[in-house]
Amino acid sequence: EAGVTQSPTHLIKTRGQQATLRCSPISGHTSVYWYQQALGLGLQFLLWYDEGEERNRGNFPPRFSGRQFPNYSSELNVNALELEDSALYLCASSDATVLNTEAFFGQGTRLTVV
Amino acid sequence: GENVEQHPSTLSVQEGDSAVIKCTYSDSASNYFPWYKQELGKRPQLIIDIRSNVGEKKDQRIAVTLNKTAKHFSLHITETQPEDSAVYFCAASRYGGSQGNLIFGKGTKLSVKP
Repeated sequence: EAGVTQSPTHLIKTRGQQATLRCSPISGHTSVYWYQQALGLGLQFLLWYDEGEERNRGNFPPRFSGRQFPNYSSELNVNALELEDSALYLCASSDATVLNTEAFFGQGTRLTVV
Repeated sequence: GENVEQHPSTLSVQEGDSAVIKCTYSDSASNYFPWYKQELGKRPQLIIDIRSNVGEKKDQRIAVTLNKTAKHFSLHITETQPEDSAVYFCAASRYGGSQGNLIFGKGTKLSVKP
C-alpha cells in the first residue's frame, strides 16, 4: 500500500511568486493536514481538510490557502512568497472515521524562496 | 486553541542510560497524545501514543505516562541506543469538532553517545 506522497520534493521560487504543493493521502484516508517545518523549529500546524472541507487552520496569514479534491488529495497554495516561507512543508493523512488514529506523514516538499 | 510545550529542547545521554522528555498541554479536552520520531532527513513517524483513559503505556524500551490533572505527559526511553538519536515530537489533539488536528511541541533533539 502506498504511503502519503507529496510533490514536488523540492521547489525553488522567487519572492512574490506563488507556490503550489500537492499531497496524496493514503487510500481510504479522508483527512489531510499540512504542517510547516522551518529549519530548527517544530511542526507548525497550517491547515486541516476533511471530506473536502477546511476544518481548521493555524496562525498563518491568508496567503496560505489550500483545498481538498473529491479524491481526498490536497493542494497547498502560498501566494506572494516571502523569504521566511522557506521551509519543509509536510502533509499528513489519517482515517477520520477512527477515533484518535495515527497520522501518517509524507516526505515533504522543501520550498526555497530566493 | 491547544498549546503544547515540550522540554528539554536538546538532550544528550550516554548509551544505556534513560531519557525522559516532558510535555504539557493547555486544552483540558485533549484526549489523544502521540509521540513522533523524526530521524535526520526523514519524515516524522509515530512511535507510541496514549489516550486520555489510560495513565501509562509501554512498548519494549519506550513508555509514555499521562497525568490528566496536571495536563502533562512524558516519554521515557530506557537502555538508549545510538539509533535512538533523533528529534522527538509530542502532540495533542481533541477528537471531533474543530480541534481534531494534532498540535505539536517544538521537539527535543536526543543525542545518544556510544
